[in-house]
This record gives sequence, structure tokens and C-alpha cells, in this order.
Amino acid sequence: GESVGLHLPTLSVQEGDNSIINCAYSNSASDYFIWYKQESGKGPQFIIDIRSNMDKRQGQRVTVLLNKTVKHLSLQIAATQPGDSAVYFCAENTGSGYALNFGKGTSLLVTP
Amino acid sequence: DSGVTQTPKHLITATGQRVTLRCSPRSGDLSVYWYQQSLDQGLQFLIHYYNGEERAKGNILERFSAQQFPDLHSELNLSSLELGDSALYFCASSVARGGRTEAFFGQGTRLTVV
Repeated sequence: GESVGLHLPTLSVQEGDNSIINCAYSNSASDYFIWYKQESGKGPQFIIDIRSNMDKRQGQRVTVLLNKTVKHLSLQIAATQPGDSAVYFCAENTGSGYALNFGKGTSLLVTP
Repeated sequence: DSGVTQTPKHLITATGQRVTLRCSPRSGDLSVYWYQQSLDQGLQFLIHYYNGEERAKGNILERFSAQQFPDLHSELNLSSLELGDSALYFCASSVARGGRTEAFFGQGTRLTVV
């Protein structure tokens, strides 16, 4: 069936560098996307969302880019910090009333 | 703290048993979602309730059921448990009827079936 998937299962970056986490989706009807961060032992935490009528949205140190042509979503984290180490999930919703469909996650490891 | 409360935090039970997981959504949130997270499957959507009514079902087994009560808390019932049911079970809540809004997750219930 339709799915959301992540390009890389793990990503290691040095503290202070920028991180880019990628996500591909296959459902062209998806019109809402969210990035979640999950730290060990905790539930997923909202980072940023974007609707399909936008191609970029910025938050505090984070930017989400949406390329609907190639069905690709990315999360950019500026000046990555040790506290950013976590698993990052992209999730989509088609607006049909169903809940979010999550990808499998990318583990981000920030090294000093 | 997301405002979503799940109990218990940990649960160990034997195969064939039945357990009930409980979720209290954020104040004012009408939607409750249940997800299962296992190592090899990631976060899988199970079921969605809105204001007491079932709205959508995902990959939920027939052995599993849920309900949302008038006070909006929800329970997920897992019966005839199997080893493969061991996972983290998350509840999330949002104010909206559909999924196009931020959902807040609880800390999860870790179920271990032995």
C-alpha cells in the first residue's frame, strides 16, 4: 500500500554542523506532513509541520522543505546540538480523516 | 509534558492473557489515536476515536479493541496476547476530527508478553 519511508536509518553529525534528514512519500494525495522527534523512553514530540500548499516552512533552528514533484520531504536542523540526538519521524496525512502515517524513523547521533 | 497521560507505563503479562491500556487525552482534545511501536515496524496506526465514536481503523488486529468514554479517556484492550504483541503502545490526542493537526503523544505503555 501507500507508505512513507526514510532514506537513511542512521545519521551521525558533529556538534555545530547542520543536519538534513530526508523522507520520501508515495501517496500523492497526502496534503499534510509533520516531523516528530522521539527521544529514548519518550513519546514522539512535534517539531514542525507543513501543508502541501507550501514548499518551505521555518521554525526555531529547523526548516522543513517539501518537494511535491518528487514526493520528498526534508528536515534541516541548524547548528545541531547534543540534545538533538533522537529518532526523527516524518508523518503524512491525506486529509481523509485518518490518523498520521509514520515512516520508520532516522536515528540522529550528534557527536562532540 | 505533552498533557497526554498513559497508564500503566510498564506491563508484563503472559501469553494468552488480556490487558487494558488507558489514555487520558489533553484537556479539550476530542480525538484519541492509538499507535503500536515495535522495532521492526515503526509506529503503526491502530485506531482513531473522535468524541466517543470510532473514526478510522488502521492495522489493528481483531484481538484488539478500543473505546472512548464520555469523559474522553480511552482504553485499548488487547486479548489472547502473543509474544509478538510485545511493543510500545502510544496514545495521542488532538483537538481536530481529522489528522491535519498536531497530535500530542503520551509517554507510552511498554507491554512485554512472556
